[in-house]
Amino acid sequence: KAGVTQTPRYLIKTRGQQVTLSCSPISGHRSVSWYQQTPGQGLQFLFEYFSETQRNKGNFPGRFSGRQFSNSRSEMNVSTLELGDSALYLCASSSRVTNEQFFGPGTRLTVL
Amino acid sequence: GQNIDQPTEMTATEGAIVQINCTYQTSGFNGLFWYQQHAGEAPTFLSYNVLDGLEEKGRFSSFLSRSKGYSYLLLKELQMKDSASYLCAVDPGNTGGFKTIFGAGTRLFVKA
Repeated sequence: KAGVTQTPRYLIKTRGQQVTLSCSPISGHRSVSWYQQTPGQGLQFLFEYFSETQRNKGNFPGRFSGRQFSNSRSEMNVSTLELGDSALYLCASSSRVTNEQFFGPGTRLTVL
Repeated sequence: GQNIDQPTEMTATEGAIVQINCTYQTSGFNGLFWYQQHAGEAPTFLSYNVLDGLEEKGRFSSFLSRSKGYSYLLLKELQMKDSASYLCAVDPGNTGGFKTIFGAGTRLFVKA
């Protein structure tokens, strides 16, 4: 079974631009969660999607948004990028049967 | 508020036993996760505790006390490859789906 995949793996943007990150969950998993990981703040929850609906949301500004498609693939978008958005963005999928979340390799975003 | 505390760093010797503690104060509690994360890689699932007590899985064991808001991860027969960050995370369970709250992680250094 293929694992969680994320594209792109690395991205460099400048302040003010926007970015879209993609996540393909493990086949059969309907829950996709997004996290931001920085050295100072650790792993912080962004949002979770289940069956194309946002089911949970963390404490991030509205510049961070996401969506999920009917095939469970998910995208997250960050608009008006700020230097502080530089981070590793991880997505995780789950079948909710075992409560185990499987993480993708992440997208490392650098904002200059 | 939501708070998860774990030591920032620990050092142990190959072949020894190490215990990584985690205390939490969250608005709700459904269960507690432990993840392992090697530098530059995604977190991988180690354990999920819902009930009080010790759960053993090979060289790794995880303990939970819900009344004390306390958990620990016990690693036995340490190997060099166990050098990694160990993340304690709580599923607050007061919403449907995932809204996992992560601690900052404990960096474990295993020396020869």
